[in-house]
Amino acid sequence: EAGVAQSPRYKIIEKRQSVAFWCNPISGHATLYWYQQILGQGPKLLIQFQNNGVVDDSQLPKDRFSAERLKGVDSTLKIQPAKLEDSAVYLCASSLGPGGYTFGSGTRLTVV
Amino acid sequence: AQSVTQLGSHVSVSEGALVLLRCNYSSSVPPYLFWYVQYPNQGLQLLLKYTSAATLVKGINGFEAEFKKSETSFHLTKPSAHMSDAAEYFCAVSDAGNTPLVFGKGTRLSVIA
Repeated sequence: EAGVAQSPRYKIIEKRQSVAFWCNPISGHATLYWYQQILGQGPKLLIQFQNNGVVDDSQLPKDRFSAERLKGVDSTLKIQPAKLEDSAVYLCASSLGPGGYTFGSGTRLTVV
Repeated sequence: AQSVTQLGSHVSVSEGALVLLRCNYSSSVPPYLFWYVQYPNQGLQLLLKYTSAATLVKGINGFEAEFKKSETSFHLTKPSAHMSDAAEYFCAVSDAGNTPLVFGKGTRLSVIA
Protein backbone atom coordinates (compact mmCIF):
# COMPACT_ATOMS: atom_id res chain seq x y z
CA GLU A 1 0.00 0.00 0.00
CA ALA A 2 1.10 3.57 -0.55
CA GLY A 3 2.61 5.31 2.44
CA VAL A 4 1.89 8.69 3.99
CA ALA A 5 2.71 11.37 1.45
CA GLN A 6 4.02 14.77 2.48
CA SER A 7 5.03 17.82 0.48
CA PRO A 8 7.09 19.81 0.06
CA ARG A 9 10.15 17.90 1.17
CA TYR A 10 12.09 21.04 2.02
CA LYS A 11 11.13 24.68 2.48
CA ILE A 12 13.15 27.78 3.26
CA ILE A 13 11.33 30.99 4.14
CA GLU A 14 12.09 34.29 5.80
CA LYS A 15 10.69 35.06 9.23
CA ARG A 16 7.23 36.59 9.22
CA GLN A 17 6.37 34.83 5.95
CA SER A 18 3.68 32.17 5.76
CA VAL A 19 4.08 28.52 4.77
CA ALA A 20 1.83 25.52 4.26
CA PHE A 21 2.51 21.81 4.40
CA TRP A 22 0.39 19.06 2.90
CA CYS A 23 -0.20 15.49 4.03
CA ASN A 24 -2.07 12.65 2.35
CA PRO A 25 -2.53 9.72 4.76
CA ILE A 26 -2.86 6.07 3.96
CA SER A 27 -6.25 5.36 2.41
CA GLY A 28 -8.81 4.45 5.04
CA HIS A 29 -6.84 5.77 8.00
CA ALA A 30 -9.27 7.84 10.01
CA THR A 31 -6.74 9.29 12.43
CA LEU A 32 -4.13 11.82 11.33
CA TYR A 33 -1.41 13.45 13.41
CA TRP A 34 0.96 16.36 12.86
CA TYR A 35 4.20 16.37 14.82
CA GLN A 36 6.98 18.95 15.10
CA GLN A 37 10.54 17.66 15.47
CA ILE A 38 13.12 20.28 16.40
CA LEU A 39 16.73 19.31 15.71
CA GLY A 40 18.07 17.07 18.43
CA GLN A 41 14.68 16.39 20.01
CA GLY A 42 11.94 13.83 19.75
CA PRO A 43 8.77 14.57 17.78
CA LYS A 44 6.14 16.56 19.64
CA LEU A 45 2.44 16.31 18.83
CA LEU A 46 0.86 19.43 17.40
CA ILE A 47 -2.62 18.20 16.50
CA GLN A 48 -4.67 15.01 16.13
CA PHE A 49 -7.62 14.61 13.77
CA GLN A 50 -10.24 11.87 13.78
CA ASN A 51 -11.80 11.98 10.31
CA ASN A 52 -12.34 15.74 9.83
CA GLY A 53 -12.70 16.60 13.51
CA VAL A 54 -10.00 17.81 15.89
CA VAL A 55 -9.37 15.45 18.81
CA ASP A 56 -6.43 17.22 20.44
CA ASP A 57 -4.85 20.56 19.54
CA SER A 58 -3.72 21.52 23.03
CA GLN A 59 -0.08 21.86 21.94
CA LEU A 60 -0.73 23.76 18.74
CA PRO A 61 0.41 27.43 18.96
CA LYS A 62 -2.88 28.74 17.71
CA ASP A 63 -1.72 32.32 17.37
CA ARG A 64 0.36 31.32 14.36
CA PHE A 65 -0.37 27.68 13.50
CA SER A 66 -3.54 26.32 11.94
CA ALA A 67 -4.48 22.96 10.51
CA GLU A 68 -7.44 21.52 8.69
CA ARG A 69 -8.67 18.22 7.33
CA LEU A 70 -11.83 19.30 5.57
CA LYS A 71 -12.92 16.08 3.88
CA GLY A 72 -11.42 13.69 6.39
CA VAL A 73 -8.66 12.67 4.02
CA ASP A 74 -5.68 14.94 3.31
CA SER A 75 -4.62 17.71 5.64
CA THR A 76 -2.76 21.01 5.56
CA LEU A 77 -0.74 22.64 8.31
CA LYS A 78 -0.09 26.37 8.04
CA ILE A 79 2.22 28.73 9.86
CA GLN A 80 1.60 32.46 9.65
CA PRO A 81 3.75 34.36 10.47
CA ALA A 82 6.75 32.10 10.85
CA LYS A 83 9.38 32.62 13.53
CA LEU A 84 12.98 31.45 13.64
CA GLU A 85 12.08 28.89 16.31
CA ASP A 86 9.64 27.21 13.92
CA SER A 87 12.60 25.72 12.06
CA ALA A 88 11.99 21.99 12.38
CA VAL A 89 10.86 18.88 10.58
CA TYR A 90 7.09 18.58 10.39
CA LEU A 91 5.96 14.97 10.38
CA CYS A 92 2.56 13.67 9.44
CA ALA A 93 1.35 10.27 10.61
CA SER A 94 -1.83 8.30 10.12
CA SER A 95 -3.38 5.43 11.99
CA LEU A 96 -6.12 2.87 11.35
CA GLY A 97 -6.34 1.77 14.95
CA PRO A 98 -4.42 1.34 18.21
CA GLY A 99 -0.74 0.71 17.78
CA GLY A 100 -0.63 1.11 14.02
CA TYR A 101 1.07 4.37 13.14
CA THR A 102 2.68 5.18 9.80
CA PHE A 103 4.84 8.27 9.36
CA GLY A 104 5.58 10.29 6.27
CA SER A 105 9.09 11.43 5.35
CA GLY A 106 8.45 14.90 6.75
CA THR A 107 8.90 18.48 5.59
CA ARG A 108 12.07 20.20 6.70
CA LEU A 109 11.37 23.89 7.33
CA THR A 110 14.14 26.43 7.68
CA VAL A 111 13.19 29.94 8.76
CA VAL A 112 15.89 32.55 8.14
CA ALA B 1 0.12 12.05 31.17
CA GLN B 2 2.36 9.62 29.37
CA SER B 3 6.09 10.22 29.35
CA VAL B 4 9.19 8.44 28.12
CA THR B 5 12.75 8.73 29.39
CA GLN B 6 15.64 7.61 27.25
CA LEU B 7 18.83 7.28 29.27
CA GLY B 8 21.84 8.58 27.38
CA SER B 9 21.52 11.08 24.56
CA HIS B 10 24.53 9.50 22.85
CA VAL B 11 25.76 5.91 22.92
CA SER B 12 28.92 4.78 21.20
CA VAL B 13 29.78 1.11 20.58
CA SER B 14 32.38 -0.77 18.59
CA GLU B 15 31.36 -2.70 15.51
CA GLY B 16 30.35 -6.19 16.60
CA ALA B 17 29.63 -5.17 20.19
CA LEU B 18 26.32 -5.37 22.00
CA VAL B 19 23.93 -2.47 21.51
CA LEU B 20 21.80 -1.49 24.51
CA LEU B 21 19.56 1.56 24.37
CA ARG B 22 17.52 2.27 27.48
CA CYS B 23 13.91 3.41 27.68
CA ASN B 24 11.66 3.85 30.71
CA TYR B 25 8.05 4.89 30.51
CA SER B 26 5.39 6.18 32.84
CA SER B 27 1.89 4.98 32.21
CA SER B 28 -1.14 4.42 34.38
CA VAL B 29 -2.58 1.88 31.95
CA PRO B 30 -1.00 -0.97 30.00
CA PRO B 31 0.85 0.84 27.25
CA TYR B 32 1.78 0.23 23.68
CA LEU B 33 5.53 0.73 23.29
CA PHE B 34 7.56 1.42 20.19
CA TRP B 35 11.10 1.88 18.99
CA TYR B 36 11.73 3.96 15.89
CA VAL B 37 14.95 4.62 14.00
CA GLN B 38 15.69 7.80 12.10
CA TYR B 39 18.55 8.14 9.65
CA PRO B 40 19.81 11.61 8.72
CA ASN B 41 17.29 13.59 6.67
CA GLN B 42 14.81 10.74 6.70
CA GLY B 43 11.51 9.99 8.41
CA LEU B 44 10.80 7.61 11.25
CA GLN B 45 11.04 3.89 10.57
CA LEU B 46 9.38 1.44 12.93
CA LEU B 47 11.84 -1.07 14.41
CA LEU B 48 9.43 -2.94 16.65
CA LYS B 49 6.39 -2.54 18.87
CA TYR B 50 4.89 -4.10 21.98
CA THR B 51 1.10 -4.34 22.06
CA SER B 52 0.45 -6.59 25.07
CA ALA B 53 1.36 -9.88 23.45
CA ALA B 54 4.78 -11.51 24.02
CA THR B 55 7.03 -9.46 26.31
CA LEU B 56 10.09 -10.13 24.15
CA VAL B 57 9.56 -8.40 20.84
CA LYS B 58 11.69 -9.03 17.79
CA GLY B 59 12.02 -6.34 15.17
CA ILE B 60 13.80 -5.59 11.96
CA ASN B 61 17.56 -5.52 11.41
CA GLY B 62 18.24 -7.91 14.31
CA PHE B 63 16.89 -5.63 17.04
CA GLU B 64 14.73 -6.80 19.92
CA ALA B 65 13.24 -5.29 23.05
CA GLU B 66 11.83 -6.70 26.27
CA PHE B 67 8.83 -5.25 28.08
CA LYS B 68 9.36 -5.35 31.85
CA LYS B 69 6.30 -4.08 33.66
CA SER B 70 7.92 -4.23 37.11
CA GLU B 71 10.71 -1.95 35.92
CA THR B 72 8.56 0.12 33.54
CA SER B 73 11.24 -0.44 30.96
CA PHE B 74 11.45 -1.32 27.29
CA HIS B 75 15.17 -1.45 26.47
CA LEU B 76 16.34 -2.04 22.91
CA THR B 77 19.17 -4.49 22.21
CA LYS B 78 21.10 -5.95 19.32
CA PRO B 79 23.78 -8.61 19.87
CA SER B 80 26.25 -7.29 17.31
CA ALA B 81 26.41 -3.71 16.07
CA HIS B 82 26.90 -2.94 12.41
CA MET B 83 28.12 0.31 10.91
CA SER B 84 24.74 0.75 9.26
CA ASP B 85 23.07 0.88 12.70
CA ALA B 86 24.44 4.38 13.30
CA ALA B 87 21.33 6.57 13.58
CA GLU B 88 18.98 8.26 16.03
CA TYR B 89 16.68 5.97 17.99
CA PHE B 90 13.41 7.01 19.58
CA CYS B 91 11.33 5.20 22.16
CA ALA B 92 7.63 6.05 22.16
CA VAL B 93 4.53 5.15 24.16
CA SER B 94 0.81 5.34 23.61
CA ASP B 95 -2.24 4.23 25.51
CA ALA B 96 -4.11 1.21 24.26
CA GLY B 97 -6.68 3.44 22.64
CA ASN B 98 -6.26 5.41 19.45
CA THR B 99 -4.06 8.01 21.11
CA PRO B 100 -0.99 9.90 19.92
CA LEU B 101 2.51 8.61 20.39
CA VAL B 102 4.59 10.33 23.04
CA PHE B 103 8.28 10.24 22.17
CA GLY B 104 11.45 10.28 24.19
CA LYS B 105 14.22 12.74 23.38
CA GLY B 106 16.15 10.17 21.39
CA THR B 107 19.50 8.42 21.63
CA ARG B 108 22.12 8.85 18.96
CA LEU B 109 23.97 5.62 18.31
CA SER B 110 27.49 5.79 16.91
CA VAL B 111 29.27 2.66 15.72
CA ILE B 112 33.06 2.70 15.70
CA ALA B 113 34.99 0.53 13.27
